[in-house]
Amino acid sequence: QVQLVQSGAEVKKSGSSVKVSCKASGGTFSSYAVSWVRQAPGQGLEWMGGVIPILGSTNYAQKFQGRVTITADESTSTAYMELSSLRSEDTALYFCARLRSSVNKLQYFDYWGQGTLVTVSS
Amino acid sequence: DIVMTQSPLSLPVTPGEPASISCRSSQSLFDSDDGNTYLDWYLQKPGQSPQVLIYTLSYRASGVPDRFSGSGSATDFTLKINRVEAEDVGVYFCMQRKEFPWTFGPGTKVEIK
Repeated sequence: QVQLVQSGAEVKKSGSSVKVSCKASGGTFSSYAVSWVRQAPGQGLEWMGGVIPILGSTNYAQKFQGRVTITADESTSTAYMELSSLRSEDTALYFCARLRSSVNKLQYFDYWGQGTLVTVSS
Repeated sequence: DIVMTQSPLSLPVTPGEPASISCRSSQSLFDSDDGNTYLDWYLQKPGQSPQVLIYTLSYRASGVPDRFSGSGSATDFTLKINRVEAEDVGVYFCMQRKEFPWTFGPGTKVEIK
């Protein structure tokens, strides 16, 4: 059974950076794209970007371009999301999610991490 | 960016009765190159991570009960629950995968009456 286990909650100061990890187990890590999705308190879901570990290629939402870096380490089956220049609006629950297939028609997020709460304080 | 809207935002339901949620996109989600419509549905149960229900408009994901179905056209979509069960409570999100950035609807909160 595939599991995505994320790192623990973080409290950060405005202007600083945070790096959240997402470790996969129980399946083949490299072949599946991993996305990061965040959810502000009581709000909806927001796709931030993703990485294909075996290719090292990334795709980011324009909104986060320049502030977010998503990477993957095949040797440890871990994906990372680093967000810089944090502001209060970045306070949210951050999820990693695995994309089931490389074929568009067959794609969906089949496994999700448990979420990592990042709190940004001034 | 493609804007996704949903209605209603809150839906009280009675167990055993049908329910439906609407989702609309600001642009067509139909891909004329492959004939697919890239609209997915997710359910986030209280205190949990989201879980997929429907992908690519109408395909039920593995393990999803057949009381859930998805339908629609280029910009208007519907998720139907044949007979609601108590375990179906939570927030339902539609999501488009037609183009980056992938975007979600605001969510519809389903509660038992």
